Amino acid sequence: NAGVMQNPRHLVRRRGQEARLRCSPMKGHSHVYWYRQLPEEGLKFMVYLQKENIIDESGMPKERFSAEFPKEGPSILRIQQVVRGDSAAYFCASSPGRVSQTLYQETDTQYFGPGTRLTVL
Amino acid sequence: AQSVAQPEDQVNVAEGNPLTVKCTYSVSGNPYLFWYVQYPNRGLQFLLKYITGDNLVKGSYGFEAEFNKSQTSFHLKKPSALVSDSALYFCAVRAWYSSASKIIFGSGTRLSIRP
Repeated sequence: NAGVMQNPRHLVRRRGQEARLRCSPMKGHSHVYWYRQLPEEGLKFMVYLQKENIIDESGMPKERFSAEFPKEGPSILRIQQVVRGDSAAYFCASSPGRVSQTLYQETDTQYFGPGTRLTVL
Repeated sequence: AQSVAQPEDQVNVAEGNPLTVKCTYSVSGNPYLFWYVQYPNRGLQFLLKYITGDNLVKGSYGFEAEFNKSQTSFHLKKPSALVSDSALYFCAVRAWYSSASKIIFGSGTRLSIRP
C-alpha cells in the first residue's frame, strides 16, 4: 500500500507565476489536509478537505490560495501570483474517514506525504 | 483557545541517557494526542497516539509518552537515546469544533543526541 504521494517534490517559481501542488492520499483514505511549514518552524494547518468538499479552510490565506479534492484524481493546492513569502514546504496528510468525538476510531491518525518544497525567486 | 505547546525549542541529550520532550495541551472535550517525528527534508512520521485507556502509550522506535490529565501534559520519553533519534519532534492534539475537527501541531522541539 503506497503512502501519501506528493508531487512535485521541489518546485521553483518566479514571482507572479502560479504554483500547483498535488497530493494523492493513501489508498482508501477520503480525507486530505494541507499544512505549510516555514524554515525552522512548526506546521501550520491550511485546509481540510473531503472528496468534493472543503470542510475547514480557516488556515488558508484569503487571497491567491485555493484547494480542491475532486471526485477523481489528486487533491490540488493552488497558489496564484506567488510571492517570495510563499516559499515553504507544503505537506499533505490523509486519513481514512470521519472521527466522532465520542466514538474512538482507528481512522484518527493522519499520514503525511514527503512534502513539496516551493521556492519563489 | 485550543492549543498545544512545546516549551523547549531544543533538547540536548547524551547517547544512552534517557530523554524527555515536553508537551502540554489545552482542548475542549476528550484529548486525542499525537507525537510525530520529522527527519531532515522529509515529511512527518507518526510515532504514537493517545485516545483512551492506559496513560502510558508505547510507540515506534522505542518511544513512549505519558498522558497526564491533571497536568494536561503528554511528554515524549525514551529510556536510552540513540544518535539516530536526532530529529524534529512535533506534539499534536485534535481540536474539536462545532462542525469539524482538526489537528493542531506544536511548534516542534529539535532533539539532538550527542555521541
